[in-house]
Amino acid sequence: DTAVSQTPKYLVTQMGNDKSIKCEQNLGHDTMYWYKQDSKKFLKIMFSYNNKELIINETVPNRFSPKSPDKAHLNLHINSLELGDSAVYFCASSGTSGRANEQFFGPGTRLTVL
Amino acid sequence: AQSVAQPEDQVNVAEGNPLTVKCTYSVSGNPYLFWYVQYPNRGLQFLLKYITGDNLVKGSYGFEAEFNKSQTSFHLKKPSALVSDSALYFCAVRDTGAGSYQLTFGKGTKLSVIP
Repeated sequence: DTAVSQTPKYLVTQMGNDKSIKCEQNLGHDTMYWYKQDSKKFLKIMFSYNNKELIINETVPNRFSPKSPDKAHLNLHINSLELGDSAVYFCASSGTSGRANEQFFGPGTRLTVL
Repeated sequence: AQSVAQPEDQVNVAEGNPLTVKCTYSVSGNPYLFWYVQYPNRGLQFLLKYITGDNLVKGSYGFEAEFNKSQTSFHLKKPSALVSDSALYFCAVRDTGAGSYQLTFGKGTKLSVIP
């Protein structure tokens, strides 16, 4: 049983398109995250939701919009895709005790913008 | 502000030898410290964490890490490296201070274990 799942695994699209990545966790966690990993493997937090409320919103273009319909899901919608958006996007979740808890990561979505 | 430094981009070690992957951190308060491993084309997997208590933390796959407050370090170690340990390793820190949910990652260290 996959703990944190993401769809799709690969996403190839043209510049200017709008796309979404979905994330689901079945761990009963209250906090979920989106990270971007660039070509140099640097990992950067983008957003975090706790109980469906946005708690971390790093400096990312407003073309990126997270949506959390419930505690188990955190989706990422990207408008007007640009070449620089090409990266691997990871979803993660962590438990209710907050800062001491480790995060569990999904397998990643490799986004390629042509 | 919190930050993590992994001074080595790559570490090479012979199979069977001990390995060390270095990590230093900076936080305003006390740290929660984590190590994660990433295999090619996979997500990050949690290895171990330091919250409080014993400075030597044992984790998955025979890894351990030692918290050193005076040197602000949290180096990852394993007594005998396996070829299957070859992967990308990330150190991460979170300040225990109020209002900080963000986990800051280092830039990663690529470990290559040579048969």
